[in-house]
Amino acid sequence: AQSVTQPDIHITVSEGASLELRCNYSYGATPYLFWYVQSPGQGLQLLLKYFSGDTLVQGIKGFEAEFKRSQSSFNLRKPSVHWSDAAEYFCAVGAGGTGRRALTFGSGTRLQVQP
Amino acid sequence: GAGVSQTPSNKVTEKGKYVELRCDPISGHTALYWYRQSLGQGPEFLIYFQGTGAADDSGLPNDRFFAVRPEGSVSTLKIQRTERGDSAVYLCASSSQGQWNSPLHFGNGTRLTVT
Repeated sequence: AQSVTQPDIHITVSEGASLELRCNYSYGATPYLFWYVQSPGQGLQLLLKYFSGDTLVQGIKGFEAEFKRSQSSFNLRKPSVHWSDAAEYFCAVGAGGTGRRALTFGSGTRLQVQP
Repeated sequence: GAGVSQTPSNKVTEKGKYVELRCDPISGHTALYWYRQSLGQGPEFLIYFQGTGAADDSGLPNDRFFAVRPEGSVSTLKIQRTERGDSAVYLCASSSQGQWNSPLHFGNGTRLTVT
């Protein structure tokens, strides 16, 4: 079965600083990889996804992520953080198989942005 | 347009009682998903519907949990003989198709508290 590890429970960065959120996955084949963001009072929103091809994927709100097969990682990055980026971020992996559409989520990283 | 709607937003029930949680997906979305999110954790997959049928119910924890989608739109998650461990936020999501590249649109969830 697949699993996702987000090693950082809580990260604090200053506004304007760069950001990297770590995600490691365990899965036998090439997985479908996702990053979601959850803001207080709002539903989970998809930031970006990786299925195949170019290992650097661009998402919404200026986020990007890089798939590294050798490290089983899919880290999320942003060059310059805005105060509105404060939220909880979840990495997720989707496993294939006929009819299977279950996402396995990590436990999340809470991002705090200091002025 | 309208997003995924979940009702009620909050539900408090006593241990042993029966509860129903409702999900109204985005109009026209054929795929519908239920997830459960416990405090401090990422969402955990419960069940996936394609149309009226449950295509993947591998995440339902036991036979106290059941979900239906009789007309291929609204879905109801039913929990019998509730236990305190069932307390969580129950999330519903829909997508236009049951394909990995169809983004999930999440509702704001129903917070269930079992006393």
